[in-house]
Amino acid sequence: QSVLTQPPSVSAAPGQTVTISCSGTSSNIGNNYVSWYQHLPGTAPKLLIYDNNERPSGIPDRFSGSKSDTSATLGITGLQAGDEADYYCGTWDGSLSAGVFGGGTKLTVL
Amino acid sequence: QVQLVQSGGEVKKPGASVKVSCKASGYTFSSYGISWARQAPGQGLEWMGWISPYKGSTNYAEKLQDRISLTTDPSTSTAYMELRSLRSDDTAVYYCARGKLGERIYYFYYYMDVWGKGTTVTVSS
Repeated sequence: QSVLTQPPSVSAAPGQTVTISCSGTSSNIGNNYVSWYQHLPGTAPKLLIYDNNERPSGIPDRFSGSKSDTSATLGITGLQAGDEADYYCGTWDGSLSAGVFGGGTKLTVL
Repeated sequence: QVQLVQSGGEVKKPGASVKVSCKASGYTFSSYGISWARQAPGQGLEWMGWISPYKGSTNYAEKLQDRISLTTDPSTSTAYMELRSLRSDDTAVYYCARGKLGERIYYFYYYMDVWGKGTTVTVSS
């Protein structure tokens, strides 16, 4: 059981837009910044978003992040076949004094 | 370029210990902390712990804190993760990641921006 809650799966057709939600509490998302990671099987996870909505160098602006109260959202526009992967939200939990991940969301590009 | 190179796969028996290394290059080792995470077969990412670049202070996942130790050797820019009393459910791919943890206007920021390729640890009798 993960501290942060994500939908197990989402799907959409190429070119469309998809959003992935991440729900937490005041101990984690509510009072800390959120990051998002893309993970393709057999590869290293990749940082997509940090500080709620900042993109590292090299991450296209098709990826965006937002946060409201105790929830965060990852948005992906102009879906491509290469976006098919598992996506994880993460943050710091002040009560646990530990990092936490969501359970992961599998994105299928139809 | 910035990279983290992890040690090779390990096969261990239940009750044994494993120590995975993570050698950093391409950046000032003391400017970033190192996080560790793992992914068991068919499961999601699980956060394991963090070691700060300052004085080597550590934070561990509650379920692992009795069995895990994170250390660094600044002289070789290498981080280590040791897990003791291994069980079959410790079978997983273990990742190290360069990270930042700090406080900004009362909020904690925390993220992992460069990851190693992973080390497979198999626990089997």
